[in-house]
Amino acid sequence: GQSLEQPSEVTAVEGAIVQINCTYQTSGFYGLSWYQQHDGGAPTFLSYNALDGLEETGRFSSFLSRSDSYGYLLLQELQMKDSASYFCAVYRDDKIIFGKGTRLHILP
Amino acid sequence: DGGITQSPKYLFRKEGQNVTLSCEQNLNHDAMYWYRQDPGQGLRLIYYSQIVNDFQKGDIAEGYSVSREKKESFPLTVTSAQKNPTAFYLCASSIDLTGLAGQETQYFGPGTRLLVL
Repeated sequence: GQSLEQPSEVTAVEGAIVQINCTYQTSGFYGLSWYQQHDGGAPTFLSYNALDGLEETGRFSSFLSRSDSYGYLLLQELQMKDSASYFCAVYRDDKIIFGKGTRLHILP
Repeated sequence: DGGITQSPKYLFRKEGQNVTLSCEQNLNHDAMYWYRQDPGQGLRLIYYSQIVNDFQKGDIAEGYSVSREKKESFPLTVTSAQKNPTAFYLCASSIDLTGLAGQETQYFGPGTRLLVL
């Protein structure tokens, strides 16, 4: 089947770096996307990896390795406002598949 | 300001009742999408539309219907056939259908919470 696996929760300290992993059991997809969702809010697009490697956007970076069926989102210089859920997603066969999300807790 | 609006913010449905969730965008996007999110879960695609008067089923279309009579509007009807409709419903749009592939950013509306009485 097709599925994306993410840790359900991750905890980190303000100012630190945290990595949220996403592993998948599907192939032939276009790329890996990441979205951020605050409690009660709508998801907002963070990044998209069409090719293997690292994409950097400010404090956020995203990585994809198709050979390892693995990707991650890296958040640097964590701020309290980064407390949210983070979803990875792939598109395959005319459908989009979301992971169940990782809840990021940030400690002061 | 350009964006996506959804209404109402909260909606209550009685047994056997059809309800319609509104989604409007003024971003001039061709593609629009409806997702369902259950607590602690990711988003699941209900329906999507690439262009006016055309739409396709997503993963969980049963019990739902949509229309796309205007480019800016993509209402979702939750029918009585949907036996477990309580969820957070999100509408999204992108410039074109590559938004599904992640190549074009999807923009989300604020969502509608549907509750069953």
